[in-house]
Amino acid sequence: EAQVTQNPRYLITVTGKKLTVTCSQNMNHEYMSWYRQDPGLGLRQIYYSMNVEVTDKGDVPEGYKVSRKEKRNFPLILESPSPNQTSLYFCASSASYSGGSNEQFFGPGTRLTVL
Amino acid sequence: SQQGEEDPQALSIQEGENATMNCSYKTSINNLQWYRQNSGRGLVHLILIRSNEREKHSGRLRVTLDTSKKSSSLLITASRAADTASYFCSTSGTYKYIFGTGTRLKVLA
Repeated sequence: EAQVTQNPRYLITVTGKKLTVTCSQNMNHEYMSWYRQDPGLGLRQIYYSMNVEVTDKGDVPEGYKVSRKEKRNFPLILESPSPNQTSLYFCASSASYSGGSNEQFFGPGTRLTVL
Repeated sequence: SQQGEEDPQALSIQEGENATMNCSYKTSINNLQWYRQNSGRGLVHLILIRSNEREKHSGRLRVTLDTSKKSSSLLITASRAADTASYFCSTSGTYKYIFGTGTRLKVLA
């Protein structure tokens, strides 16, 4: 089954404790992206990757890091989480960017709470 | 920066009625997409309309695009309880995607 998986689905942590949220897709997609969703703000793009070893900042990259060493995986790293990073996070992938004309496939989401 | 803004923020209708939601954006686009999100779950792609198209249909969905007004609308005809969800428009910038704040649709049985 074609899908985007994220782990963990739920995470409660404390300020400053490094964490990684994994994302994997099995569709051989080139483009991958991370979003955060907050009430009243919709989805905001954190980072995106056009392909292996090619990543760039989205609109809200502060406090996050990513890597793309393999085509299928795109982990999101919070090196020193803070309470304002409490949010619902989504990973998404698409075949390629192609001027934004390809649909994105979304993972199920990771609900992160930073105390 | 948030580019897409949906209107209304919330909409409640009876089953069988039509639901219309609107999206406005700020800069020129190549295309615009609509997504649905069921309560806290991942978004699901509904339909894409290109900048040179004015209207597009898919089943009970009808999307219009007015590039002169920088706006799009999504019409769901003969709504069902299962259409209850949040709906988002999405535009693309330079390798980035921008989503609106969404319209929460509730369809009452």
